[in-house]
Amino acid sequence: NAGVTQTPKFQVLKTGQSMTLQCAQDMNHEYMSWYRQDPGMGLRLIHYSVGAGITDQGEVPNGYNVSRSTTEDFPLRLLSAAPSQTSVYFCASSSGTGRGYTFGSGTRLTVV
Amino acid sequence: GNSVTQMEGPVTLSEEAFLTINCTYTATGYPSLFWYVQYPGEGLQLLLKATKADDKGSNKGFEATYRKETTSFHLEKGSVQVSDSAVYFCALSDLIKAAGNKLTFGGGTRVLVKP
Repeated sequence: NAGVTQTPKFQVLKTGQSMTLQCAQDMNHEYMSWYRQDPGMGLRLIHYSVGAGITDQGEVPNGYNVSRSTTEDFPLRLLSAAPSQTSVYFCASSSGTGRGYTFGSGTRLTVV
Repeated sequence: GNSVTQMEGPVTLSEEAFLTINCTYTATGYPSLFWYVQYPGEGLQLLLKATKADDKGSNKGFEATYRKETTSFHLEKGSVQVSDSAVYFCALSDLIKAAGNKLTFGGGTRVLVKP
């Protein structure tokens, strides 16, 4: 089925470890974003991309890196995991302004 | 900057009751407005949208009207079902391409419908 695929669905990391959350979409969408969802805080934008090769920081970018080498893929890298990064992470893609986003099913990350 | 404010929950209703969730926004440009729904354990799904003043978005019995004069986009449903129990998010994005099509979300409103 067409959509946004995130892997893994669950992950436990130790403090200081690094990892990459994968995100892929098969809809040829130009825009992609990463959000984190914390209890009582809604969704906050981490990084976003307006096309292959173009990325920019969102509201809470510290501790995360992204790249967009292809239209389809937008991985999120945690450089050195911290307990404050325990959250649910959502990747989303959009075909254009005013059209809304399609969200993946999320990655639940716990840092111990 | 842009911001979205929506009523805090939880909102608890009986089946077939009328639901309204208030949403107001502040935007520097002329935004598109959205309602997303998140069912337990799932990602967000686009419920409805409106891209200009006085537009009414509708889907699955839910409606919301883009009110520029009151900067509001309240969500309504005339008769809720147990299956409507979820968290609802109001959001906006600028129509100007240079703004990056970024979504700004409200804090979410949890709705619980009891049989």
